[in-house]
Amino acid sequence: KAGVTQTPRYLIKTRGQQVTLSCSPISGHRSVSWYQQTPGQGLQFLFEYFSETQRNKGNFPGRFSGRQFSNSRSEMNVSTLELGDSALYLCASSLLWTGASSMNTEAFFGQGTRLTVV
Amino acid sequence: AQSVSQHNHHVILSEAASLELGCNYSYGGTVNLFWYVQYPGQHLQLLLKYFSGDPLVKGIKGFEAEFIKSKFSFNLRKPSVQWSDTAEYFCAVGGSQGNLIFGKGTKLSVKP
Repeated sequence: KAGVTQTPRYLIKTRGQQVTLSCSPISGHRSVSWYQQTPGQGLQFLFEYFSETQRNKGNFPGRFSGRQFSNSRSEMNVSTLELGDSALYLCASSLLWTGASSMNTEAFFGQGTRLTVV
Repeated sequence: AQSVSQHNHHVILSEAASLELGCNYSYGGTVNLFWYVQYPGQHLQLLLKYFSGDPLVKGIKGFEAEFIKSKFSFNLRKPSVQWSDTAEYFCAVGGSQGNLIFGKGTKLSVKP
């Protein structure tokens, strides 16, 4: 069974631009979560989508947004990029919405998209 | 707010040495606890998880972890490490809304 696929793997953008990252979850998984990983802050939760609805959101500014399509694929968008947005963005898929049951919090991660803002 | 603390930033061991990585969490309710490993250039992989039941949890590759509720701890152990265990290890707790809250990670370097 294929794992979580994230595209692109690497991205270089200029400050002020916007970027869209894509995530295809494991087949049959309906929840997609996004995390930002930086050396200083570690792994921080961005948001979770389930059935095309955002179910949970972390403490990130409104420049970070996402959406989920009917096939469970998800995209994450960052507008007006800042140097501090340089990070590894990880997508994780779960079978069901992780907030619906404590048993659902097992997440499977993709390899991430390395975003560099210059 | 929920948080996870990992005591060691970088641990260096020789092959065959025993490993214990500390993890403490702050959350008063029912917890789901996880250890993930990130090998160089690879994605995060689940090592083991605790939802309920036996507090001693066995995972893949010979790792185990013990949940001690009174100490809010979930330490990771392995009796004998190998060079291939060189990686970064993350402890995480399932948050009240389901998302994972991660510790800052511990880099493990195993010398051959």
